[in-house]
Order: sequence, then C-alpha cells, then structure tokens
Amino acid sequence: AQKVTQAQTEISVVEKEDVTLDCVYETRDTTYYLFWYKQPPSGELVFLIRRNSFDEQNEISGRYSWNFQKSTSSFNFTITASQVVDSAVYFCALIFNNAGNMLTFGGGTRLMVKP
Amino acid sequence: DTEVTQTPKHLVMGMTNKKSLKCEQHMGHRAMYWYKQKAKKPPELMFVYSYEKLSINESVPSRFSPECPNSSLLNLHLHALQPEDSALYLCASSQDPPFGGSSSYEQYFGPGTRLTVT
Repeated sequence: AQKVTQAQTEISVVEKEDVTLDCVYETRDTTYYLFWYKQPPSGELVFLIRRNSFDEQNEISGRYSWNFQKSTSSFNFTITASQVVDSAVYFCALIFNNAGNMLTFGGGTRLMVKP
Repeated sequence: DTEVTQTPKHLVMGMTNKKSLKCEQHMGHRAMYWYKQKAKKPPELMFVYSYEKLSINESVPSRFSPECPNSSLLNLHLHALQPEDSALYLCASSQDPPFGGSSSYEQYFGPGTRLTVT
C-alpha cells in the first residue's frame, strides 16, 4: 500500500526556535518523488521542494532544510530560527509510479510560531 | 512565473444555483487538476486534464462538471450542489501529466475558491 504519514498534527514553537516536521512513507516502488508544500491561512498551497527517490542528497534553502533517508523511508523538514510567517499547515506528498503518478498527501502538520 | 489564478475567491450559492469556477495558468503546463479540500484535511483529487483532455475522474458526482476550453483554462461547473460540498476548491497545473514519462511532476496550486453552499 502507498501511504504518507505525518504523525505530528500540530506543533507550537516560539519564534527563533528550530522545528522539524516529520514525514514517513510506505511504498514498494523503486522510483518515486517526494514533495513538501506549505499552506498558509490564505489557502494557497506553495510548492517548497521536490526530491527524487534516487537522489538522497540533503538540501538546504535559506532557513529550510530537508533530510531524505531512504533506509528509514523518511523525508523530514527542518525550519531553523522559525518566524511567525512560517505559521502554516505543511503537507508532505509523494508521487508513486504505481499510483498513476498522482500526488498522495500526508495528513498535514499545523505549525504555529508564537512571537 | 509559477502563477495559477482562480476566480472567484469566495462563492456562496444556493442548492438550486448554477455557477462556475475558473482557473488559468500561463506557464505552458500540459496538465491541470481540480482538488477539493475540507477543513483540516489534505486536498482530494477530483479531476485531471492532460493535453486538454479529461484523463482522470475520481468518481466525482455529476453535479460537478469540468471543462478545459484551451490549454491555459480550466473551469468547474457547479449545479444542484449540497451543503456538504462546501469546501476550498483548488486548481493546480504541472509541466507534465501523469504517465508523462519525465520527472517534472511538481504541481503549482492556485489560491483556491472558498465555496459555501446554503
């Protein structure tokens, strides 16, 4: 079965704290694509990153970093020095070849950053 | 430019009304999508258009009728909706469609239309 799990439904931090959002997945596919999206209160899903299953190199973009570990089927997202503007719902999603190449979303993690 | 636009932003309609949601992208993307999102849930796929043809219909009731007039536009026609259809309706597009054979699958989403059915 293809599945994406975000075990943390809500996280609350104080500004400037680091925070990690967890994402684990299940698949028997050897090729798949991993994504993170941010959904602020306005509603639009903002694309943050895509990784391919055959590329385990971690990525950093400003205060954002992603840790892809195929051995543990995880694709975690860390925000360093969080800011109030980071408050949003974050979705991890995958495209599995055996699922018609459609996005499978995790349940989302609501991040609240307090001043 | 990775912009997908949607109109209207908000829509309130009665159960006997007919209305349409509109979506537009000018990125030359070959696939366009409609999603429905209820509060505190992830988006649920409704329809996929590939090269202006309907390729996936996720068993959506016929009171939702999609239309793709050209490669940049996607409409969702609504008729005889139920209160439980109230949700955020999101449009998205991607460079390549499902089964496209490349890796440009990331979908870019519009801001959504918040629909309330009374």
